Amino acid sequence: EAQVTQNPRYLITVTGKKLTVTCSQNMNHEYMSWYRQDPGLGLRQIYYSMNVEVTDKGDVPEGYKVSRKEKRNFPLILESPSPNQTSLYFCASSAPGAGETEAFFGQGTRLTVV
Amino acid sequence: GENVEQHPSTLSVQEGDSAVIKCTYSDSASNYFPWYKQELGKGPQLIIDIRSNVGEKKDQRIAVTLNKTAKHFSLHITETQPEDSAVYFCAASYSSASKIIFGSGTRLSIRP
Repeated sequence: EAQVTQNPRYLITVTGKKLTVTCSQNMNHEYMSWYRQDPGLGLRQIYYSMNVEVTDKGDVPEGYKVSRKEKRNFPLILESPSPNQTSLYFCASSAPGAGETEAFFGQGTRLTVV
Repeated sequence: GENVEQHPSTLSVQEGDSAVIKCTYSDSASNYFPWYKQELGKGPQLIIDIRSNVGEKKDQRIAVTLNKTAKHFSLHITETQPEDSAVYFCAASYSSASKIIFGSGTRLSIRP
């Protein structure tokens, strides 16, 4: 079954404690991205990757890091989380031509930073 | 850069009635307009998309219309059913883009 898997689904952490949210896809997609979803703001792109070792900033990259060492994995790293990073996070993947092909989303990770 | 505005933010319709969600975009280069449905506790899922070379596309009870001149596109759901209750996102992009820009979402509720 084609899917994007994120872990964990829920996470409560304290300010400043480094965390990683994992994302893995089994569709051999080149393109992967991370979004955060906040009420009234829709989905905003944090970072994206066009292929292995190729990453770039999206619209709201501050406070986040990513890496793309393997095609299937695209972890999101928060080196020093702050309360304003409390949000619902989604990983997505798509085939080449990301601008005009279907994006497949993970189930989401609800992060609370206290 | 591209900006997508979506209205309304919430919509409540009687079961069996129609629902319409409207979006406008700013970048005239955009030529791909997908719609995603997000059910509670799940990630968004593509339900229909339209490209700029057509003005309308239909898939059973769902239709999307596009007016490139006015930079408007809309989602129409007819004969609404309880399972249509969800958050809907419109989006806009173009073929060589590195990302798609989403609207702010519409929470659709179907009243029994």
